[in-house]
Amino acid sequence: DAGVTQSPTHLIKTRGQHVTLRCSPISGHKSVSWYQQVLGQGPQFIFQYYEKEERGRGNFPDRFSARQFPNYSSELNVNALLLGDSALYLCASSLGGQPQHFGDGTRLSIL
Amino acid sequence: TQLLEQSPQFLSIQEGENLTVYCNSSSVFSSLQWYRQEPGEGPVLLVTVVTGGEVKKLKRLTFQFGDARKDSSLHITAAQPGDTGLYLCAGAPAAGNKLTFGGGTRVLVKP
Repeated sequence: DAGVTQSPTHLIKTRGQHVTLRCSPISGHKSVSWYQQVLGQGPQFIFQYYEKEERGRGNFPDRFSARQFPNYSSELNVNALLLGDSALYLCASSLGGQPQHFGDGTRLSIL
Repeated sequence: TQLLEQSPQFLSIQEGENLTVYCNSSSVFSSLQWYRQEPGEGPVLLVTVVTGGEVKKLKRLTFQFGDARKDSSLHITAAQPGDTGLYLCAGAPAAGNKLTFGGGTRVLVKP
C-alpha cells in the first residue's frame, strides 16, 4: 500500500513568489496535517484538515493557507515567500486522531 | 503553549553501547509518539504510548511514558550503526491532531 505521497520533492523559488505543495494521504485516511521543519529543528504544526474542514491552525502568518479536496488530498499554499520560509514541508495523514504517518516532504529553498 | 524538550541534542556512541534519550514537558499529553527521521526522508513512527507509566519494547528499543504523562524516554540497548538517525518525540493533545515536537536528538552509532 502506498504511504503518504508529496510533490514536488524539491522546489526552488525566489522571494515574493508563491508556491503550492501537494499531498496525497494514505488510502482511507481522512485527516491531513501540514508541518514545517527548519533545518536542525523539530517539525512545527501549520494546519490540520479533516473531512475538508480546517480543524487546527498553528502560529503561522496568513501568507500560509491550505485546503483539502473531496478525495482527501491536500494543498498547502504560501504567498509572498520569504527567505525564512526555506524548510522541509511535511504532510501527515491519519484516520482522524493519532498516530500520524508522514510523507518524505517537500524541500523548499528560497533564493 | 506546550513545549517538549529533548536531551541530549546530540549523542555519539560506539556500536554495542547503550543510550537513552529524554523528552520532558511541563504539560500533560494525551499520548506521546516517537519517530526516527533519516536525511532526506520524513519521520517514521516507532511507537505511540498512551497510558501513564506505560513501557513498550520494540526489539532493542524500550519506550517509557511518565506516570504523569509529561515525560518520556527512549532506551536503545546494544546500539547498531543502523540506529543512526534523528529521534523525535511528539506529544498529542486530548483533542485535535496538533503534534508538539521536541527539537530532536541526533544519534550517531559508529561501527
